[in-house]
Amino acid sequence: AQTVTQSQPEMSVQEAETVTLSCTYDTSESDYYLFWYKQPPSRQMILVIRQEAYKQQNATENRFSVNFQKAAKSFSLKISDSQLGDAAMYFCDYSGGGADGLTFGKGTHLIIQP
Amino acid sequence: KAGVTQTPRYLIKTRGQQVTLSCSPISGHRSVSWYQQTPGQGLQFLFEYFSETQRNKGNFPGRFSGRQFSNSRSEMNVSTLELGDSALYLCASSLSSGVQETQYFGPGTRLLVL
Repeated sequence: AQTVTQSQPEMSVQEAETVTLSCTYDTSESDYYLFWYKQPPSRQMILVIRQEAYKQQNATENRFSVNFQKAAKSFSLKISDSQLGDAAMYFCDYSGGGADGLTFGKGTHLIIQP
Repeated sequence: KAGVTQTPRYLIKTRGQQVTLSCSPISGHRSVSWYQQTPGQGLQFLFEYFSETQRNKGNFPGRFSGRQFSNSRSEMNVSTLELGDSALYLCASSLSSGVQETQYFGPGTRLLVL
């Protein structure tokens, strides 16, 4: 079974600074998809960014970008110019050929200091 | 387009009762997945329905069941509730079934079992 590990239970960053959230995963599959979701206090899970494993180019969405290292099985999320609204739990997720739906990491609680 | 909707948003039940949760996917989406989120276990996949058929199932006891209707709306049922079933139940919809599909989440139903 695939596993997703987020080694940082909590991160804190000053508003307007850059922060990187780490994620590693374990899989024997070659074709899979990776996602970052954020879950603010409202508990609504919101898609942040998506990466296809077959693409070498790192995905970007405005202030959010990923560093995808397939060989190292690493998928980190960089948030530039952090804003107060970025405060949330961030989940790294794996979608592969198994029958397990999305496999979630335990999450990283991101705190934005004003 | 309206997002994924879940009803009810909050529910209180007692041990031994049963409960039914409802999920309406984004218009045009045919796949619905259900997840359980608890502080201890994090987010865990329950099952996925596509075209009224269960496609995948997570590692949950048979007390957890679901179904999907011809309009893609889905319900999940939990019978003989236990205290440990207290959780946030999240529903997610996608256009189709497959690892490449991006899932969009509803606001969740918070279930408290007393």
